[in-house]
Amino acid sequence: DARVTQTPRHKVTEMGQEVTMRCQPILGHNTVFWYRQTMMQGLELLAYFRNRAPLDDSGMPKDRFSAEMPDATLATLKIQPSEPRDSAVYFCASGLVLTGNMNTEAFFGQGTRLTVV
Amino acid sequence: AQSVTQLGSHVSVSEGALVLLRCNYSSSVPPYLFWYVQYPNQGLQLLLKYTTGATLVKGINGFEAEFKKSETSFHLTKPSAHMSDAAEYFCGYSTGRRALTFGSGTRLQVQP
Repeated sequence: DARVTQTPRHKVTEMGQEVTMRCQPILGHNTVFWYRQTMMQGLELLAYFRNRAPLDDSGMPKDRFSAEMPDATLATLKIQPSEPRDSAVYFCASGLVLTGNMNTEAFFGQGTRLTVV
Repeated sequence: AQSVTQLGSHVSVSEGALVLLRCNYSSSVPPYLFWYVQYPNQGLQLLLKYTTGATLVKGINGFEAEFKKSETSFHLTKPSAHMSDAAEYFCGYSTGRRALTFGSGTRLQVQP
């Protein structure tokens, strides 16, 4: 059945290293969201794309985070350099937006649990 | 700021009792409202959504929610709790220009 696939599911890395998280949205969905979940901040919207174009990345720390969609089947979220405060679960979600209206439900992947030591 | 607020970070009910999880929204434009459930080590799964039309929305697993504009609320209810309902529940909100964002979540415990 159709689902959002995220890799890796778990990542432990040392501070200062580059981290890349990957997401395969549901086939046919044109909108991809990145969320971060922590105990302290809850679920935060980091960035989202429609038709592979970034619409809003205001939730993302610009100096170290970057998000891209190289093609319609792959979205990436990179952190360089990583810091311990980046430890969180990162979720990718996808949806179908038929007009300019962003009112769409999001289908979530299982998440990438990142630990930066 | 336009957003949703979930009242109560933890709710505990007995098995078979009514479940009521509260969500209030703040919006100057008609919102779309959502309830999602998250089980441990899982992503979020949609329970139900309100877009337009009927204000009482039925979802999966026996849950329902009612959009009350006068009270700016979208509370989630289930008549009889089951042990398998223990999870974290998130109220979500979007508008025409704003993508889906979430409240702080409510952890539901179900006591035997």
